[in-house]
Amino acid sequence: DVVMTQSPLSLPVTLGQPASISCRSSQSLVHSDGSTYLNWFQQRPGQSPRRLIYQVSNRDSGVPDRFSGSGSGTDFTLKISRVEAEDVAVYYCMQGTHWPLTFGGGTKVEVK
Amino acid sequence: EVRLLESGGGLVQPGGSLRLSCAASGFTFNAYAMSWARQAPGKGLEWVSSVTDSGSNTYYADSVKGRFTISRDNSKNALYLQMNSLRAEDTAIYYCAKDWVAHWGQGTLVTVSS
Repeated sequence: DVVMTQSPLSLPVTLGQPASISCRSSQSLVHSDGSTYLNWFQQRPGQSPRRLIYQVSNRDSGVPDRFSGSGSGTDFTLKISRVEAEDVAVYYCMQGTHWPLTFGGGTKVEVK
Repeated sequence: EVRLLESGGGLVQPGGSLRLSCAASGFTFNAYAMSWARQAPGKGLEWVSSVTDSGSNTYYADSVKGRFTISRDNSKNALYLQMNSLRAEDTAIYYCAKDWVAHWGQGTLVTVSS
């Protein structure tokens, strides 16, 4: 199985400042079709997960443009350009290239 | 508006069975693959199973293979998860998701305990 490793586990941030979360996979996420199926999810307290980013860098509908995804191969990053109070949540990366689908362990973003 | 409404969760004894349902609306159900994922209390997310749009192909996590069965009824816009031989470690909120994992429902809690 592909192991997804996120860092840090916890990320204290100051409102208005940027934040960055790393996600590394144990093998390349480039599919045989040429696409890279790496997703990012946000889970606010008490809510179900919401996908923010698909295929590394594509924002889902309604996702603010302060969220951006980048990376390739085995190394990926989610960036929040300026953290707002509503961004307090746990963020998960997830690979959809190889079966079984696997998630990272999560990064908790909290306000300092 | 996409709506996914899970039901069928509850308390069940170890070794027992449950059938989860997911009622879908707001999109063309038979055009999308669907999935189940779960989250144990206070833990992270775990993919459980997926089924293609026609229902012809199914996929399972090793942790549930041989015990759980995913199915869908495109005439009823419904997704199902038949769970047999339940174990304590299956205790979790179970989420239904559209388009593999693009959009998630609110979840239904399954508790396996004696």
